[in-house]
Amino acid sequence: ETGVTQTPRHLVMGMTNKKSLKCEQHLGHNAMYWYKQSAKKPLELMFVYSLEERVENNSVPSRFSPECPNSSHLFLHLHTLQPEDSALYLCASSQDIYTGGSPLHFGNGTRLTVT
Amino acid sequence: GENVEQHPSTLSVQEGDSAVIKCTYSDSASNYFPWYKQELGKRPQLIIDIRSNVGEKKDQRIAVTLNKTAKHFSLHITETQPEDSAVYFCAASKTSYDKVIFGPGTSLSVIP
Repeated sequence: ETGVTQTPRHLVMGMTNKKSLKCEQHLGHNAMYWYKQSAKKPLELMFVYSLEERVENNSVPSRFSPECPNSSHLFLHLHTLQPEDSALYLCASSQDIYTGGSPLHFGNGTRLTVT
Repeated sequence: GENVEQHPSTLSVQEGDSAVIKCTYSDSASNYFPWYKQELGKRPQLIIDIRSNVGEKKDQRIAVTLNKTAKHFSLHITETQPEDSAVYFCAASKTSYDKVIFGPGTSLSVIP
């Protein structure tokens, strides 16, 4: 049990599809994150939420739309994606964004392929 | 903004030997430096971290050293085992705000 659960594990979608990634954390954390992991690139921070409020949008295209209905759930809504958006999307949580150096707890990720 | 570099990108060692991975950071205000291990097909997991008020930290076969003046920090793995084979990511952040910037990763292979 990782404490951070992501669904689905794998997703194949066409460029005109609309899909959503889901993340749930059972750790009582107040901060949640979306990261993108592409081959041969560093982990890229996409969005940060603190107590359901978005505090960071790291220049992510509008075809990615996050939603955080409560501190335990995080979604990433996808629409009209491009093939270069194919990657592993990792959700993470941490105690909060203000406590000094609280570790990130990652989910297993969603492997997204855009055809 | 912060930039984290990491070397080498790939590293192969014989089982039982030591492995060293080095990272540099650009923002002198960064003061929290975690290391994550990601095995093939799995999620990244924190293995050790260090704060800027400490120069070295050890946990069994793993140690991290920090040189604030030079703005670099290193991961040392002793007596390597095949299960140490993974991609290792260093990272840096300011503890006042938990935005972690990752290095590009080092793929470590431990040869039995």
